[in-house]
Amino acid sequence: EPEVTQTPSHQVTQMGQEVILRCVPISNHLYFYWYRQILGQKVEFLVSFYNNEISEKSEIFDDQFSVERPDGSNFTLKIRSTKLEDSAMYFCASSPRGRAYTDTQYFGPGTRLTVL
Amino acid sequence: AQTVTQSQPEMSVQEAETVTLSCTYDTSESDYYLFWYKQPPSRQMILVIRQEAYKQQNATENRFSVNFQKAAKSFSLKISDSQLGDAAMYFCAYGGATNKLIFGTGTLLAVQP
Repeated sequence: EPEVTQTPSHQVTQMGQEVILRCVPISNHLYFYWYRQILGQKVEFLVSFYNNEISEKSEIFDDQFSVERPDGSNFTLKIRSTKLEDSAMYFCASSPRGRAYTDTQYFGPGTRLTVL
Repeated sequence: AQTVTQSQPEMSVQEAETVTLSCTYDTSESDYYLFWYKQPPSRQMILVIRQEAYKQQNATENRFSVNFQKAAKSFSLKISDSQLGDAAMYFCAYGGATNKLIFGTGTLLAVQP
């Protein structure tokens, strides 16, 4: 069964450094998402992406964050200058069509980001 | 704005018994989906079951079923014949007209042998 994959599984970085989290969505899916989960808290939406542009973003997704689909398979989340509070589990998800009321989002295994 | 509430931070069940996890939500939308995701210690998010709001029939997936009460905005998950592998954090989630899923705070389920 097709899966969403994410690399790396764990990333440790120094505060102020740039990090890129990578995701390979399910191949025939058209919508891609990033969510994050700070330890012990609920999962929060960051951004959705369709047709090479952001379709929706949350208040968390400020200028420090960017997303990109650099080729036909990868979907990346970049944090330009990491802060301690960016430490969290970051989940990538994809769905075939997009609207959350008509579709199911399939999640990857997550990347644990630790900012020191 | 839509909200999802899970009022049970932790639940415990004996192996082979049945347990029900509660979820309520608030929305003014008429079309939406509701989901239960399971998050084991590995922290991966695994879809357990989903329910379309326009369907009156409750969704069922093997040992997992839901009790969807649209008027009451309630969406509980029943796990029958609980197994040790069911131990996990369970999140209720709402999917509406926007792209995003809105999650509750989760219920940590322990399964006692």
